[in-house]
Amino acid sequence: DQQVKQNSPSLSVQEGRISILNCDYTNSMFDYFLWYKKYPAEGPTFLISISSIKDKNEDGRFTVFLNKSAKHLSLHIVPSQPGDSAVYFCAAPPGTGFQKLVFGTGTRLLVSP
Amino acid sequence: DVKVTQSSRYLVKRTGEKVFLECVQDMDHENMFWYRQDPGLGLRLIYFSYDVKMKEKGDIPEGYSVSREKKERFSLILESASTNQTSMYLCASSLGSGTDNSPLHFGNGTRLTVT
Repeated sequence: DQQVKQNSPSLSVQEGRISILNCDYTNSMFDYFLWYKKYPAEGPTFLISISSIKDKNEDGRFTVFLNKSAKHLSLHIVPSQPGDSAVYFCAAPPGTGFQKLVFGTGTRLLVSP
Repeated sequence: DVKVTQSSRYLVKRTGEKVFLECVQDMDHENMFWYRQDPGLGLRLIYFSYDVKMKEKGDIPEGYSVSREKKERFSLILESASTNQTSMYLCASSLGSGTDNSPLHFGNGTRLTVT
């Protein structure tokens, strides 16, 4: 059972525009969420996180929004750059305290010049 | 900067072989993890370890075992490789001991092909 879902396998945007990547979760006990970015032939790297006590967290061009009532979070990239082209995974710890994460299936973002 | 090193980038093994995937981290992290990444399935946790000689099953442990004899090293073992274990294997580490939301640091992965 997929506890964290990314329903869009791919997204294409033009350079300079906004990229919005979506993630839904089923477990209302999740209280912390992370986004990872993965380039081909590299491991995922941590991008940004948000705690359930917040509804927004911003870091430069990246903003994550959390809607707890809808069990939905989104990652906004503004402005998008070709170097942002990668696979993005949302993830959440199931709350066992050992930081193991449950990952979504990923969204491949392509930013074209 | 944290470095997680996986010993092989690419491996090709035959069905039935015993396979060892090695991972080393250099930041004295308590926790280490093995995930596999498959198209359409994302990253799935195989095993993790929160201390030397300690291990816990993840979501898909069948057909795998692990070993953590030293804090910096976490090995994934495929006892008898099968074609459905062809995948990208990712090792990760993170701080432990109460820093519950510290992010995972991943290695670059080992692409294993079982023929």
